[in-house]
Amino acid sequence: QQQVKQSPQSLIVQKGGISIINCAYENTAFDYFPWYQQFPGKGPALLIAIRPDVSEKKEGRFTISFNKSAKQFSLHIMDSQPGDSATYFCAASRTNFGNEKLTFGTGTRLTIIP
Amino acid sequence: DVKVTQSSRYLVKRTGEKVFLECVQDMDHENMFWYRQDPGLGLRLIYFSYDVKMKEKGDIPEGYSVSREKKERFSLILESASTNQTSMYLCASSSVPLSPLHFGNGTRLTVT
Repeated sequence: QQQVKQSPQSLIVQKGGISIINCAYENTAFDYFPWYQQFPGKGPALLIAIRPDVSEKKEGRFTISFNKSAKQFSLHIMDSQPGDSATYFCAASRTNFGNEKLTFGTGTRLTIIP
Repeated sequence: DVKVTQSSRYLVKRTGEKVFLECVQDMDHENMFWYRQDPGLGLRLIYFSYDVKMKEKGDIPEGYSVSREKKERFSLILESASTNQTSMYLCASSSVPLSPLHFGNGTRLTVT
């Protein structure tokens, strides 16, 4: 049973455009939502994370938007650059649990074209 | 910077072989994890360990075992490799519960 659904599976965006990746979760007890970024040949690395006490978190060109009532959260990449081309994973968990309870989405392969 | 090193980048093994995947971290992290990554399935947890000699099953432990004899080293063992274990294997470590996972660069295992 997939608890975190991620879409789209792949995404092509022109340089300078906005990339948007969406995730939906089922477990209302989830209260920690990180995004991991994975470049080809590398392991994933934490990009940005949000907790549901805020509806939005911004770090540079990367923004997480969170909609608790819809049980959805999304990653927006503003002014997308070729260096942003990577696979992005959303994830969800509960803060009183450890990383062993982190549920990952299926990943989105993002390609930024010049 | 935390460094998680996986001993092999690519491995090719035959069906039925016993396979060892090694992982070492250099930041004295308590927690270590083994994931497998498959297209369309994301990252799935195989086993994890919160202390030396300690191990717990993740979501897909069947066909795998682990060993953690030293704090910095966490090994994944495929007792009898099968073709459906062809995958990318990722090791990760973290310092405290829900702190960021630090991943190695992965081992791509092909079982023929």
